[in-house]
Amino acid sequence: DTAVSQTPKYLVTQMGNDKSIKCEQNLGHDTMYWYKQDSKKFLKIMFSYNNKELIINETVPNRFSPKSPDKAHLNLHINSLELGDSAVYFCASSPQGYNSPLHFGNGTRLTVT
Amino acid sequence: DAKTTQPPSMDCAEGRAANLPCNHSTISGNEYVYWYRQIHSQGPQYIIHGLKNNETNEMASLIITEDRKSSTLILPHATLRDTAVYYCIVTRGSGNTGKLIFGQGTTLQVKP
Repeated sequence: DTAVSQTPKYLVTQMGNDKSIKCEQNLGHDTMYWYKQDSKKFLKIMFSYNNKELIINETVPNRFSPKSPDKAHLNLHINSLELGDSAVYFCASSPQGYNSPLHFGNGTRLTVT
Repeated sequence: DAKTTQPPSMDCAEGRAANLPCNHSTISGNEYVYWYRQIHSQGPQYIIHGLKNNETNEMASLIITEDRKSSTLILPHATLRDTAVYYCIVTRGSGNTGKLIFGQGTTLQVKP
């Protein structure tokens, strides 16, 4: 019964391709997030959605587009992949935004060659 | 959100208490102190959080100084499985527009 699940766990692709990472949470939470962890291990927020509405959109290239079809899902689409996009991407959810603890998925390791 | 300062690394003997310090001297009155940890190759895991009072749960204790400018996370009996990067984060407690800003954290190595 994984609370926050991401697929795929590993993603290897070539530059210029378009790819998607899916995230689902079964906790009934209102808020979902995408974080990026680069090679230096820094975790940075990319997006936050609350009840399917975009709340936080950090300085992220337009090639990254989150989509929330419903409260339990927040998918990340990446167009025209670049070498610098290689990282681990974490999805998270929380009941009431940052009022409450975040529950993270186990990450998707994206490698762009 | 206020910034935090943590030592980059610490060692602890298995079975002993691990005390992880965090400085947050610019914390404001409505900001909470949160602790997360990240075990290798896993997503960050929530540990504990507090505002003013000391807090304890099944994982750890959080001691916040009276002036709230620093705090200490205590793992009472560290095990090898507690080896991880521990993040101290200060964030506003209201609304959902705040951001969890992760710093470099403290890498805790629990040794047998």
